[in-house]
Amino acid sequence: NAGVTQTPKFQVLKTGQSMTLQCAQDMNHNSMYWYRQDPGMGLRLIYYSASEGTTDKGEVPNGYNVSRLNKREFSLRLESAAPSQTSVYFCASSGGQTHTEAFFGQGTRLTVV
Amino acid sequence: AQSVSQHNHHVILSEAASLELGCNYSYGGTVNLFWYVQYPGQHLQLLLKYFSGDPLVKGIKGFEAEFIKSKFSFNLRKPSVQWSDTAEYFCAVIVYGNNRLAFGKGNQVVVIP
Repeated sequence: NAGVTQTPKFQVLKTGQSMTLQCAQDMNHNSMYWYRQDPGMGLRLIYYSASEGTTDKGEVPNGYNVSRLNKREFSLRLESAAPSQTSVYFCASSGGQTHTEAFFGQGTRLTVV
Repeated sequence: AQSVSQHNHHVILSEAASLELGCNYSYGGTVNLFWYVQYPGQHLQLLLKYFSGDPLVKGIKGFEAEFIKSKFSFNLRKPSVQWSDTAEYFCAVIVYGNNRLAFGKGNQVVVIP
C-alpha cells in the first residue's frame, strides 16, 4: 500500500527559481492538504482541497499555488522561491468527512539559497 | 478559524516517568480530535483519535487521551514512558463539516534512559 507519495524528497533551489511539489494518494480520499513544518512552529496549513475541484487557503498561502489535478493528485507550486520558504513540506490526505484521520507523506525537505 | 494550543513545547523526562501533554482548541462546535507522533526524521503517524462516544481514548504504545468538552481539551497521557517515546507530539482538530485540519505547535519530548 503506497498511501501518500510525495516527490521529490529533497530539493535545493536558488532564490527566484520555481518548482512544483507533487503529491498523490491511492486511498480514494476526498481531502488533501499541504503543510509546512518549521522548528517551533508546528505544522502550518498552506492550502487544502476539501474535494476534487476545490481549493482553499490555509494559514500561510502567500508565495504558493496549488492544483488539484484530479482526485488522486494535489500539487504545490512555488513560483519564485525565497529563503523564507526553506522548510519541510508535508502532503496529507483524508476521507474528507468526519470519522477519518489524515495520512501523511514522507515529506520534502526544501532549501532555498 | 479553529486554533489548537499546546503548551510546554519542550519536555524532558526520565524513563518510567509519567507524561501528560495538554491540548486545547478554540472551536465550540462538534470536533474530531487527534494526536499524532513524529519520530526523528520521519513523517507524522496517528497515535489516537476521538470522534464520539467514550471520552477516554486509548491509542497505540500505551498512550491515552481524555476529551473534556467543557474545557475544550484533549490531553495526552502515558503512565510510564520509554526512551523510544522520544519524539514530537502534535494535537490536531478538524471541525465537523469543515475539512480544514489544524495542528498545534507540537511538544518535543525527550526521554532520558
